[in-house]
Amino acid sequence: GEDVEQSLFLSVREGDSSVINCTYTDSSSTYLYWYKQEPGAGLQLLTYIFSNMDMKQDQRLTVLLNKKDKHLSLRIADTQTGDSAIYFCAAAASGGSYIPTFGRGTSLIVHP
Amino acid sequence: DAGITQSPRHKVTETGTPVTLRCHQTENHRYMYWYRQDPGHGLRLIHYSYGVKDTDKGEVSDGYSVSRSKTEDFLLTLESATSSQTSVYFCAISEKGGSGHNEQFFGPGTRLTVL
Repeated sequence: GEDVEQSLFLSVREGDSSVINCTYTDSSSTYLYWYKQEPGAGLQLLTYIFSNMDMKQDQRLTVLLNKKDKHLSLRIADTQTGDSAIYFCAAAASGGSYIPTFGRGTSLIVHP
Repeated sequence: DAGITQSPRHKVTETGTPVTLRCHQTENHRYMYWYRQDPGHGLRLIHYSYGVKDTDKGEVSDGYSVSRSKTEDFLLTLESATSSQTSVYFCAISEKGGSGHNEQFFGPGTRLTVL
């Protein structure tokens, strides 16, 4: 089945850009997601990208997809302390009934 | 926010006791899911439902059962709780599943401790 990997921690200074990376194994993954989890809360969808795209921009968020390398990244521009959270990458394929498989989550810590 | 509630929000129980967690939605979404979240493992799918009385197993279903008798309610039961089932449990719902973009909406979670 699908396996999704991401680094566990990232620390940045307020105002810098953050880049969170993710790799997945199933080349048939069609939808790639980024979810955000704030402390004590459930996950919320931040953005997603369809596999026929290689980039998607939404305000401060930029998602890059390298389908050949099965690599996804999330860039947050002008990172703020309010962006401190856990970010989950997830991949969904038709073989898995389009139920997303989640990575372990990256804890983003933003220092003032 | 999607109308999803989970009850209880916190529970402490002893090994060997049965536990039922409830997920309730007011969105009339067809698909419902139970996940567990553990440090170092991220989110893992336990069971999911694609309609009333229609359920299927996820990645980590051993020791868990589910039931869905109404669209709005999805129950997760631990028949005989073990310490390895200490975790935070999340319910999620989605309108579409099995056919493309599947945005999931998550509940606030239930923190379960098995002593």
